[in-house]
Amino acid sequence: AAGVIQSPRHLIKEKRETATLKCYPIPRHDTVYWYQQGPGQDPQFLISFYEKMQSDKGSIPDRFSAQQFSDYHSELNMSSLELGDSALYFCASSPRDRGDHTQYFGPGTRLTVL
Amino acid sequence: DAKTTQPNSMESNEEEPVHLPCNHSTISGTDYIHWYRQLPSQGPEYVIHGLTSNVNNRMASLAIAEDRKSSTLILHRATLRDAAVYYCTLSNFGNEKLTFGTGTRLTIIP
Repeated sequence: AAGVIQSPRHLIKEKRETATLKCYPIPRHDTVYWYQQGPGQDPQFLISFYEKMQSDKGSIPDRFSAQQFSDYHSELNMSSLELGDSALYFCASSPRDRGDHTQYFGPGTRLTVL
Repeated sequence: DAKTTQPNSMESNEEEPVHLPCNHSTISGTDYIHWYRQLPSQGPEYVIHGLTSNVNNRMASLAIAEDRKSSTLILHRATLRDAAVYYCTLSNFGNEKLTFGTGTRLTIIP
């Protein structure tokens, strides 16, 4: 079965650089969630989209922005990177319109800021 | 956001049942209880969820207290592959963001 695809899987950036993380949800899933998991920490919700509209916002820094495109893939844009942004970034998708409450997580993108 | 509280770690012998507790005393009436598990450097994996009634699926069972302030994930026969961090999370209306707590690191002893 198709799973959530995230790219790149690993990313190394310098401080103050920008990064773009991409998420391709499972086909026919209309909802995308982004989570951040710092080293030794628990996943923290960043932002979510339903049918290409932002549906909820968590503890996402103003330096970050995200959107969901017409083909339902989503991108998380991160600017002015800081050392503390080093983390695993997970995307999850869900078929909200079908009443399925499960969030299917991708393998994550490991961002390292030097 | 309602929070969950879980033991930091638990151990269990292989092929024995495991009961993972979770407290969520501030749960609201529209919060669903979800359980996910996570292996190192992997994304969380869905285990089970419920609202009020106990639930069973091929992976586990979920027992929800009558007042909904606590729940227990039951793995009926633990295997080495069940070793992971187990998160008890809440999701408003079941389809909104997951609020992760600290999770329980489950170790399975061969």
